[in-house]
Amino acid sequence: NAGVTQTPKFQVLKTGQSMTLQCAQDMNHNSMYWYRQDPGMGLRLIYYSASEGTTDKGEVPNGYNVSRLNKREFSLRLESAAPSQTSVYFCAISETGDPSSGNTIYFGEGSWLTVV
Amino acid sequence: LAKTTQPISMDSYEGQEVNITCSHNNIATNDYITWYQQFPSQGPRFIIQGYKTKVTNEVASLFIPADRKSSTLSLPRVSLSDTAVYYCPDNYGQNFVFGPGTRLSVLP
Repeated sequence: NAGVTQTPKFQVLKTGQSMTLQCAQDMNHNSMYWYRQDPGMGLRLIYYSASEGTTDKGEVPNGYNVSRLNKREFSLRLESAAPSQTSVYFCAISETGDPSSGNTIYFGEGSWLTVV
Repeated sequence: LAKTTQPISMDSYEGQEVNITCSHNNIATNDYITWYQQFPSQGPRFIIQGYKTKVTNEVASLFIPADRKSSTLSLPRVSLSDTAVYYCPDNYGQNFVFGPGTRLSVLP
């Protein structure tokens, strides 16, 4: 996971507060992703960026916004946090985002977010 | 979203071989099959990848039949440290779709 750095690692928010999760990569990969993982659940895609300058919604985008600041950085913003957004958030990267070319996906260490 | 299908959980004892099977009913012709492992409080990490037949690395083996509608991850002689969740994500456009995975518990 050394190639993907997420900050902060832990955060407690009050309902209605806003915050931004930061993700940076040093592997020069084109595609970046934000997933959330709830206890005992798999990973659900929130947003992704196939390449610099583009972003698209994933499976669960409501309540979130993203910014692909440059090739290295992809941020996730919660404008008005809700308890339902309590989760572990993972940033991930892949070289081209095309699974058919044998791409693999690399994850960060995760950001634990609690909304009270 | 298309998702692969795999058992929710499995138990095993130390020293046994564990086989976890995944169904890839919607696999596309050019898709590779990749397995990931996730330990508690960590992000998933790559274990093994293949396109067809058998692939082996220092961690596991991956068996893919000719029709590629399924794959089997084989972990030889598991230890307690192999307790983790194992995923065989599906490919959907430019996304990797992860289901709940298979929670493997290795018992002493």
